[in-house]
Amino acid sequence: GQQVQQSPASLVLQEGENAELQCNFSSTATRLQWFYQRPGGSLVSLLSNPSGTKHTGRLTSTTVTKERRGSLHISSSQITDSGTYLCAMERGGGSAKLIFGEGTKLTVSS
Amino acid sequence: GPKVLQIPSHQIIDMGQMVTLNCDPVSNHLYFYWYKQILGQQMEFLVNFYNGKVMEKSKLFKDQFSVERPDGSYFTLKIQPTALEDSAVYFCASSLNWAETLYFGAGTRLSVL
Repeated sequence: GQQVQQSPASLVLQEGENAELQCNFSSTATRLQWFYQRPGGSLVSLLSNPSGTKHTGRLTSTTVTKERRGSLHISSSQITDSGTYLCAMERGGGSAKLIFGEGTKLTVSS
Repeated sequence: GPKVLQIPSHQIIDMGQMVTLNCDPVSNHLYFYWYKQILGQQMEFLVNFYNGKVMEKSKLFKDQFSVERPDGSYFTLKIQPTALEDSAVYFCASSLNWAETLYFGAGTRLSVL
């Protein structure tokens, strides 16, 4: 089954609204990484968070590894935030492999 | 931020031919990765590489695949021979240390006809 599940699959917002993206994973993870994938396909690393809460700009990542879940909060969304947000987990145990979810497609309109 | 460059951005080849995908990682990074994304599907791990050796590989990393980084130049993924199911976008990534933040390139779209 799917090891990393993201919800919602898609999200449509008005500019200025906040977004809450969820990531659940089925096995033990040592860290979650969040990526932004542009419509053209390239990936940008947003936040890397083993546990707790991290902020950068308008982004807040929260990871609760014991409960096998994480979230990404985007405040005051902008049109340029539109794209796909990918959650990826690391299992640890000597592995550096990332296991990705299918992503949340965010559309922000004016 | 740190940049990973991938060349070419798009490659079209006939099934059975050999293809080499090139990646110029972040200059001081030591760990290198390839991921594969079929259109509309999730990103999947292929292989990671350090100090001239494959450290981990997935079942997607078939015998026809190989990676190398000769003399600190490009980190390459070679597929020989290619198959139709190899059509995908291949992303290269690098990190400074093991299991740290990955920086991805823009991907090479491979179309096998």
